[in-house]
Amino acid sequence: GAVVSQHPSWVICKSGTSVKIECRSLDFQATTMFWYRQFPKQSLMLMATSNEGSKATYEQGVEKDKFLINHASLTLSTLTVTSAHPEDSSFYICSAPGPGGSLAGLYNEQFFGPGTRLTVL
Amino acid sequence: KQEVTQIPAALSVPEGENLVLNCSFTDSAIYNLQWFRQDPGKGLTSLLLIQSSQREQTSGRLNASLDKSSGRSTLYIAASQPGDSATYLCAVRVQGAQKLVFGQGTRLTINP
Repeated sequence: GAVVSQHPSWVICKSGTSVKIECRSLDFQATTMFWYRQFPKQSLMLMATSNEGSKATYEQGVEKDKFLINHASLTLSTLTVTSAHPEDSSFYICSAPGPGGSLAGLYNEQFFGPGTRLTVL
Repeated sequence: KQEVTQIPAALSVPEGENLVLNCSFTDSAIYNLQWFRQDPGKGLTSLLLIQSSQREQTSGRLNASLDKSSGRSTLYIAASQPGDSATYLCAVRVQGAQKLVFGQGTRLTINP
């Protein structure tokens, strides 16, 4: 299947600083990527849809000025948590639909990155 | 608004048993349904994907069924092994959108 990577896998930062998380599709292009957050022992909640070449679409209740998303190329989307606070500590996961022209793309199967654990002190 | 529910929230069984995990969704207008596995602190691994027009999909010891009209899916795991211990998540893709709506997951423990 298609491979999605994330960097870093974990990060610890001080309150008030900004943190950037990268999501890459390694062997295919993705015009759309999705960013989720997951609290301990809870399910994934969609934060925003990242669109290459245009603005991200945020879910209701997600602060767009706090969670900046940039889909810089067809293989890279970044999520920047600005002025991070302890309540932003969470597991952030990105995903991308399978590549066009493949069976996964035909069926719109989604592939997920390994996640980034953010801890804000 | 689509809501996805998974029952049970946690399940512990001895090795070798066959088991069923349940997933239900409130809006039958789905494009597909995916089952994922998540190990602690890790990302999601896609297990099976069922299109809305399909009734079931099989991969090895896993079999997933879909009854769209009743809003239900089941994941059947045959001859369970300790390595199957993980959280299993189901997610539906709503028609007309690419995003997935996830259930809360079932935390499965297989005891040797």
